[in-house]
Amino acid sequence: DAKTTQPNSMESNEEEPVHLPCNHSTISGTDYIHWYRQLPSQGPEYVIHGLTSNVNNRMASLAIAEDRKSSTLILHRATLRDAAVYYCILRDLNNAGNMLTFGGGTRLMVKP
Amino acid sequence: DAGVIQSPRHEVTEMGQEVTLRCKPISGHDYLFWYRQTMMRGLELLIYFNNNVPIDDSGMPEDRFSAKMPNASFSTLKIQPSEPRDSAVYFCASSFSVRANEKLFFGSGTQLSVL
Repeated sequence: DAKTTQPNSMESNEEEPVHLPCNHSTISGTDYIHWYRQLPSQGPEYVIHGLTSNVNNRMASLAIAEDRKSSTLILHRATLRDAAVYYCILRDLNNAGNMLTFGGGTRLMVKP
Repeated sequence: DAGVIQSPRHEVTEMGQEVTLRCKPISGHDYLFWYRQTMMRGLELLIYFNNNVPIDDSGMPEDRFSAKMPNASFSTLKIQPSEPRDSAVYFCASSFSVRANEKLFFGSGTQLSVL
């Protein structure tokens, strides 16, 4: 299974944009890139996913490199409520039994 | 929909006791998952069901753990007998399918402490 690599932690200032990187150099052409986040004392929460093109939703944007070997989750204006662990996960379109496998994620700290 | 509902929110028990964790998935979701989260091992998939049938239980740690899904709106994870190393947060999640572009919806978890 393709693996992802994320920094252990990042810091941001409130109301500034945040760019959370994820490396997945062994990604296959059928792997979807998913992002989930886990707020303190909560279960993981879906953020966004994409395959090849950049994606936007009300929570965030996902920028996918042209070679797909890396991606970046963008929070346009960080708030204190965005402090969480962010997980970058790959799911293979051709593997119906491919479950969500969580790595260590990036712990985002937001300073007021 | 209220989302995935888990109970209890916290459980404290003594070693050797039986523990039952409960989960109500989102209505209409055909898949249900049980995960465990610890500091050492992170989030691990224990077992998942499709249409109430267990599909893959390869993540279940040992025979002390069992999971059932008697109907589409209810699942249990039972530990008997419990041990201190079972202390963790247990999450239930559900989804419509296991397609690669499908989202999972998680409950708030049960914090289990075995003394």
